[in-house]
Amino acid sequence: NAGVTQTPKFRVLKTGQSMTLLCAQDMNHEYMYWYRQDPGMGLRLIHYSVGEGTTAKGEVPDGYNVSRLKKQNFLLGLESAAPSQTSVYFCASSYGPQGRTEAFFGQGTRLTVV
Amino acid sequence: SQELEQSPQSLIVQEGKNLTINCTSSKTLYGLYWYKQKYGEGLIFLMMLQKGGEEKSHEKITAKLDEKKQQSSLHITASQPSHAGIYLCGADSSGNTPLVFGKGTRLSVIA
Repeated sequence: NAGVTQTPKFRVLKTGQSMTLLCAQDMNHEYMYWYRQDPGMGLRLIHYSVGEGTTAKGEVPDGYNVSRLKKQNFLLGLESAAPSQTSVYFCASSYGPQGRTEAFFGQGTRLTVV
Repeated sequence: SQELEQSPQSLIVQEGKNLTINCTSSKTLYGLYWYKQKYGEGLIFLMMLQKGGEEKSHEKITAKLDEKKQQSSLHITASQPSHAGIYLCGADSSGNTPLVFGKGTRLSVIA
């Protein structure tokens, strides 16, 4: 069982470069989420989606864009990377709202912006 | 906005000892979730608590939610090296919004 797969696992970007992080789930989940994890800050929600074609802002959405064109995929884009976006990014998915059902997490993408 | 405070921030215990991690909310919770994160990996679901006074156990880990649904504790009995990692509580105040997470408690278990 693949579960939630994040691509890539590691990436180093130069300031101003763009990139897309891919999250794929094979559990037919409606809900998908992008979090970032920083030392001393815990997990913070960037964007989330409650179904194919929908997206919503979370706590820290600035500098990121997302798309959910297919139910199984949730893409996180950085248009112009900044050093403040150096972080570990986690994708998660759930069958229903996170407050009602278990969320499954990917293994994380470690991004460094220099 | 809802905030979750975890204590302690870090904990070092000797193998075989018991320990407790706390998670306190500024608001009444709809549901409280406990996750474990091994260093450098994703989060693994441990337990979900929804009813005031509810208690759940899995192997040597017990989690409780107080009657007012504003505080939860995670208790590990006879700790083992495999228990080491970061424990995070996550909560939702309505049942329909993404979880807000605490900052985590880093647990180290030494022989």
